Amino acid sequence: EAGVAQSPRYKIIEKRQSVAFWCNPISGHATLYWYQQILGQGPKLLIQFQNNGVVDDSQLPKDRFSAERLKGVDSTLKIQPAKLEDSAVYLCASSMGPGGGGSYNEQFFGPGTRLTVL
Amino acid sequence: AQKVTQAQTEISVVEKEDVTLDCVYETRDTTYYLFWYKQPPSGELVFLIRRNSFDEQNEISGRYSWNFQKSTSSFNFTITASQVVDSAVYFCALSEGPLSGSWGKFQFGAGTQVVVTP
Repeated sequence: EAGVAQSPRYKIIEKRQSVAFWCNPISGHATLYWYQQILGQGPKLLIQFQNNGVVDDSQLPKDRFSAERLKGVDSTLKIQPAKLEDSAVYLCASSMGPGGGGSYNEQFFGPGTRLTVL
Repeated sequence: AQKVTQAQTEISVVEKEDVTLDCVYETRDTTYYLFWYKQPPSGELVFLIRRNSFDEQNEISGRYSWNFQKSTSSFNFTITASQVVDSAVYFCALSEGPLSGSWGKFQFGAGTQVVVTP
């Protein structure tokens, strides 16, 4: 079974530029998550999708970050314009979601995109 | 609100020594789920073990074992006979139950860096 795919793996941009990350979850997983992981910290949830609807985006800086999952499968996360403090690893994860996978609803993670903002 | 504390920033051991990682959590929910993930240098978070709040039985899975104690809100993880390949950052995570408003939302600790030297 293929895992969660993310691209690009690495990205270096200058501040005030725009950047987009792509995620393809595990086939059949209804729930998709985007996390931001700053060096030395645990992952912090940015946004959670259930199919193509947003479940939780309370920690997404909406003035500069946006995300979509139009067909309930792939997702993109965009930053526009980027700031120095956005330098981090952006992780995508997926889970089967309510009704599937049992109560644990464990998440499976992609390799992440390491963003450096200069 | 959920909170996960991993007080150990880094643990260094020599190969074949045992390593115990501490995790203390806070939640007001009576149904919750606890996880341990491993993040090797490649960056991908790898699921290791899980436990629900109704099952305090401690188990061993290969070289991994865990000690779940609700009385102290702790979910400690042990690697027996460590190997160099165990070198990674280990994260403890908490997810509240299906009846909570945040089911499926993970709260991660800050992580513990494990360094195993030959």
